[in-house]
Amino acid sequence: GAVVSQHPSRVICKSGTSVKIECRSLDFQATTMFWYRQFPKQSLMLMATSNEGSKATYEQGVEKDKFLINHASLTLSTLTVTSAHPEDSSFYICSARDRQTGTSNYGYTFGSGTRLTVV
Amino acid sequence: RKEVEQDPGPFNVPEGATVAFNCTYSNSASQSFFWYRQDCRKEPKLLMSVYSSGNEDGRFTAQLNRASQYISLLIRDSKLSDSATYLCVVLPLLGGYNKLIFGAGTRLAVHP
Repeated sequence: GAVVSQHPSRVICKSGTSVKIECRSLDFQATTMFWYRQFPKQSLMLMATSNEGSKATYEQGVEKDKFLINHASLTLSTLTVTSAHPEDSSFYICSARDRQTGTSNYGYTFGSGTRLTVV
Repeated sequence: RKEVEQDPGPFNVPEGATVAFNCTYSNSASQSFFWYRQDCRKEPKLLMSVYSSGNEDGRFTAQLNRASQYISLLIRDSKLSDSATYLCVVLPLLGGYNKLIFGAGTRLAVHP
């Protein structure tokens, strides 16, 4: 089945530094990539949606200059958290949508998530 | 009002019990519905889609009531391995792309 590889799985960084998270679709072409954030005991909140080759669309309240998204190819999307602060500590998950949407859940495949801790 | 609402639980049940989770959604135009399972510190995984006619997958039964905007998940003969958070997920119909809307999840703890 479709697989999305997300790295790193866990990262600890100092306040003020930037962190890049990668998501790769291994055996399919991801036309759309969704980036979610999840705080403890809360639901996954969509941060932004990116389509290959175009600018990402950010959800209300998400700073586009802080969370930089690049979707330069059909198999790779990156999220860079710039000038990270402790309040950015969270679980970040990507979800790629397959071009072929005939699967039972309309082709959404999740990465394994990245746990970011900013100290 | 949240777009997808669930009882957060936790539901603590013994092995073999039957447990039911409920979910309501606010957007009456929503098109597709799913239950996902999320283990601690892991990504969510699709458990099953939910259809208006109701559907069953082994010990799991999902139901949808569009008139009431209500979704349910029934787990029969609970196993220890069923312990997880169950996420109600809705797919609205939105313009050129679709985004999944997640509920906060209902925690289930199955004990011996």
